This record gives sequence, structure tokens and C-alpha cells, in this order.
Amino acid sequence: QKEVEQDPGPLSVPEGAIVSLNCTYSNSAFQYFMWYRQYSRKGPELLMYTYSSGNKEDGRFTAQVDKSSKYISLFIRDSQPSDSATYLCAMSAKNTDKLIFGTGTRLQVFP
Amino acid sequence: GAGVSQSPSNKVTEKGKDVELRCDPISGHTALYWYRQSLGQGLEFLIYFQGNSAPDKSGLPSDRFSAERTGGSVSTLTIQRTQQEDSAVYLCASSLAYGTRTEFFGPGTRLTVL
Repeated sequence: QKEVEQDPGPLSVPEGAIVSLNCTYSNSAFQYFMWYRQYSRKGPELLMYTYSSGNKEDGRFTAQVDKSSKYISLFIRDSQPSDSATYLCAMSAKNTDKLIFGTGTRLQVFP
Repeated sequence: GAGVSQSPSNKVTEKGKDVELRCDPISGHTALYWYRQSLGQGLEFLIYFQGNSAPDKSGLPSDRFSAERTGGSVSTLTIQRTQQEDSAVYLCASSLAYGTRTEFFGPGTRLTVL
């Protein structure tokens, strides 16, 4: 079993929809949780960063962490075709910078 | 440019040859990371540098892989005697300091071993 599980998709939604992306993990030592966006043939780009449990909002993006369930989510409101990309969750424990990534979910937003 | 740069962008090599991949981090970033991204596998941590030293080499898949960083800046990842299973995108990232966990990625080097 992988430390971080993520549905690869693809997830296809119409423009304007609310998108929910999720990851589950098994290592209770993880304290830092990140979401990256990766366009085709580009490097990942950090979208959201949260520490421990709770919610964080940035524009159309909301990240949620539920440590009791070992479950994290990224919500995208009013999705746009430009949001079409692969979304990777990543996490790390407190005493290391080593990030453990999910395999990524491919999102397509159609006009 | 102000971002992380990597060269070459693409590399095709024959099985058994050695390859060197280069990473130029963002100026002033002291921490540097190498990852490998294979199809359907997500990003796999290889090694990270704090300054010129590598406290964590645990992700290097075999002794054919090595990396160095000089002057606290440029890093090279070397793969000796390449194998077909080494084919992947090799990504470099840098961050301002160890512990910030805000890594900025380069565009990657796509390695194909024939």
C-alpha cells in the first residue's frame, strides 16, 4: 500500500463547476500538506500549503485537512478551462523536508 | 529568468551510457531537491541538498545514481550505465531554506533510455 493514495482520474467537469480533489494517507506523522498543479510538460507549481488540520482558502481554491480521517481535499470553485491540469497532493512529516507525493489527478474543465 | 532551470530539457541515450542532468536553482535558495516522475507513478524523492551537503540520499534507487552540488548553487545528477527503467522525467526543485516546504520546481529533464 502506498503512503499516499490519489485517484488518477481523469475528472471531466463543465466550466463553472465546483471540483473536489482528494487524497488519503496512512502515515500519521504527516503534518504538512500541499497541493501542486502541473500543466503538461511543465514542473509542478505550489498552489496551497497547510499545516496540521483545518481549512485554508485562497481565491477560488480551498484546502481542507482532516487528520483524524487521514484525508485531505482541494476544492476549486467556478472552475475554468485554464484549471485543466494534473493536481498532485504532497505531504511531509515534521522533521524532514522530504515530500511524499500522490500520483496526481488529471482534471479537464470543458467550456 | 528568476525560476529554476534545468538542462537538457530532453535527453535520449543508449542503454549503458552515462548521463548528467543539470539544475540551476533560484538565486539565494539554499535547499535543492531532485525528484523522478515516471508515468503513473507520481513524483519520487531522490535526494536533497542543504548547501553543498546531502543529508538525505535515501531516495537514490541504486549506486548508479549520484548527485553533487557546488558553491551552494548548481547541482548535477549523474546516472551511470543507464538502464531502460531509468527513463522518466527528472525534476529539480529549490526552496529558500530547509524547513520551509515551499519548493519551486524546474521544468524537468525528460530522459529516454533506448
